[in-house]
Amino acid sequence: QQQVKQSPQSLIVQKGGISIINCAYENTAFDYFPWYQQFPGKGPALLIAIRPDVSEKKEGRFTISFNKSAKQFSLHIMDSQPGDSATYFCAASRGGWGKFQFGAGTQVVVTP
Amino acid sequence: NAGVTQTPKFQVLKTGQSMTLQCAQDMNHEYMSWYRQDPGMGLRLIHYSVGAGITDQGEVPNGYNVSRSTTEDFPLRLLSAAPSQTSVYFCASSNDRGTEAFFGQGTRLTVV
Repeated sequence: QQQVKQSPQSLIVQKGGISIINCAYENTAFDYFPWYQQFPGKGPALLIAIRPDVSEKKEGRFTISFNKSAKQFSLHIMDSQPGDSATYFCAASRGGWGKFQFGAGTQVVVTP
Repeated sequence: NAGVTQTPKFQVLKTGQSMTLQCAQDMNHEYMSWYRQDPGMGLRLIHYSVGAGITDQGEVPNGYNVSRSTTEDFPLRLLSAAPSQTSVYFCASSNDRGTEAFFGQGTRLTVV
């Protein structure tokens, strides 16, 4: 039973459009919520992360929105580019022990 | 700077065979972990370690063993391979705050 639920499973967006991926969690003890980006044949790499005391974090074209009361967080990719085509995983952890619960992943395809 | 190195990259095993997946990191990280990645299920934690000599089970530990005799190395042993263990395996190490996992390139394992 996955503790972090991610949707959609896949999405196709045109170049310049906005990609939105949503995640929900159950365990209120989670205190750190990263997003990872994975290209084919590679390991995941940290993209952006947020803690629950902040409602939004922006880094370049990537923004995390966090709703603590709803136990939901989402990744927005603004001005999507073909180079953003990848699989995105949300994750959650607690206590800083370096182990994470991952969502099922979203495959994003950005068309030219 | 190699980061996290996994060997082999590909492996085919027969049911019942045993093997060891190697993982080494050169970042002097205390936290290391093993995940398996299956379609539609994201990454699931198999075993993790918070330092040399200390290991613990993750979400899906059955059929796998680990040991951590040095800070650098964290091998994963498959005791008696089963087709259900066909997967892509990722080793990761995490920084001191446990907030970022650095992943290796993965090992694609097929059990026939």
